[in-house]
Amino acid sequence: DTEVTQTPKHLVMGMTNKKSLKCEQHMGHRAMYWYKQKAKKPPELMFVYSYEKLSINESVPSRFSPECPNSSLLNLHLHALQPEDSALYLCASSQDVGLRYEQYFGPGTRLTVT
Amino acid sequence: AQKVTQAQTEISVVEKEDVTLDCVYETRDTTYYLFWYKQPPSGELVFLIRRNSFDEQNEISGRYSWNFQKSTSSFNFTITASQVVDSAVYFCALSEGRDDKIIFGKGTRLHILP
Repeated sequence: DTEVTQTPKHLVMGMTNKKSLKCEQHMGHRAMYWYKQKAKKPPELMFVYSYEKLSINESVPSRFSPECPNSSLLNLHLHALQPEDSALYLCASSQDVGLRYEQYFGPGTRLTVT
Repeated sequence: AQKVTQAQTEISVVEKEDVTLDCVYETRDTTYYLFWYKQPPSGELVFLIRRNSFDEQNEISGRYSWNFQKSTSSFNFTITASQVVDSAVYFCALSEGRDDKIIFGKGTRLHILP
């Protein structure tokens, strides 16, 4: 099973709302990632978790708060977002962190902030 | 300077034609990995291939083939006898150094016309 699942598929939220994105993998991977992708752009890395610990935060605003409750699950908590945060949010996992490991991506959550 | 350059922003070909997507990369490391990902309209990035810097053998997988040339820092991707289902955005990516990151090119949008 090489599947990464993400819920919800679509999310519309107001600027004062609090919502969460969920990502799950059952491949035994020890690294998990959040990316943000704007239209017609490549994915931009936001966070990396390695063995359930945050290893990389790409200077992401604090209105995005990641959480890794266990090795299979990755959440992204959203609060007080701006309309420019509207994008496709992709989760990925890899066997481990490091050069050689390919990342497997989920289908993404398409977020619209109104 | 861009680390991964995909000079072709958009390509359209008629079904059954062959098409080559170009990728030029830049790195000072001797150990690095190159990847190709496909992103169909559904949004999910699909891993296609990984190649390490010590393995210059070309690879063929069905209608897909990859030409890795260190002398020109290129890792080109050819689809033979293209099909409508090949329509997608294709990203070339580089993993190098001590970072646990993949650097994506800007992508090439491929349209296969029936």
